[in-house]
Amino acid sequence: ETGVTQTPRHLVMGMTNKKSLKCEQHLGHNAMYWYKQSAKKPLELMFVYNFKEQTENNSVPSRFSPECPNSSHLFLHLHTLQPEDSALYLCASSQTSGSHEQYFGPGTRLTVT
Amino acid sequence: KNEVEQSPQNLTAQEGEFITINCSYSVGISALHWLQQHPGGGIVSLFMLSSGKKKHGRLIATINIQEKHSSLHITASHPRDSAVYICAVLYGGSQGNLIFGKGTKLSVKP
Repeated sequence: ETGVTQTPRHLVMGMTNKKSLKCEQHLGHNAMYWYKQSAKKPLELMFVYNFKEQTENNSVPSRFSPECPNSSHLFLHLHTLQPEDSALYLCASSQTSGSHEQYFGPGTRLTVT
Repeated sequence: KNEVEQSPQNLTAQEGEFITINCSYSVGISALHWLQQHPGGGIVSLFMLSSGKKKHGRLIATINIQEKHSSLHITASHPRDSAVYICAVLYGGSQGNLIFGKGTKLSVKP
């Protein structure tokens, strides 16, 4: 247990569906991250929130919409996804963004049909 | 070309062997992370280092800033060490972000 939980662990959705991924951290951290891990590719940073403010959007398509209502919770809202968006989506947190160790959640395995 | 290169991509070892995984990077960094990812996806941070050497149990990580190179060593390897080991570098100063290598898949046979 890393102190970072993600739900659901697995998700299958059609291209016209709307769904949300949830991440929660119990570590008192102030920074939270969304990463995408596709098969045979390195982890890619998607979004960074520091003290609830988005500080990084790594050219992510608008069909992915993050939300950070407080420092402990992070959501990724999904709509009209494409099959190539199928991947493992990982959430992480750290004390603040930048040079602190990051703690990862178990990930959500997303399949878009 | 990925800015973080790991070698080897795949590694099979016999239980008890000494294992070395290498990471080279091309950007100026403020820190380097070694991460472990087990089947199923969960990632655990093993080390964060910016100079020298760190040791935790059977794991040792070293970094040479001048040569832009880091190594992760596992002594007396065990089947439970089987996982993907990922190198990630922090660039852009203290508020920077991580760039990840593709990972090294390690399989330790009993």
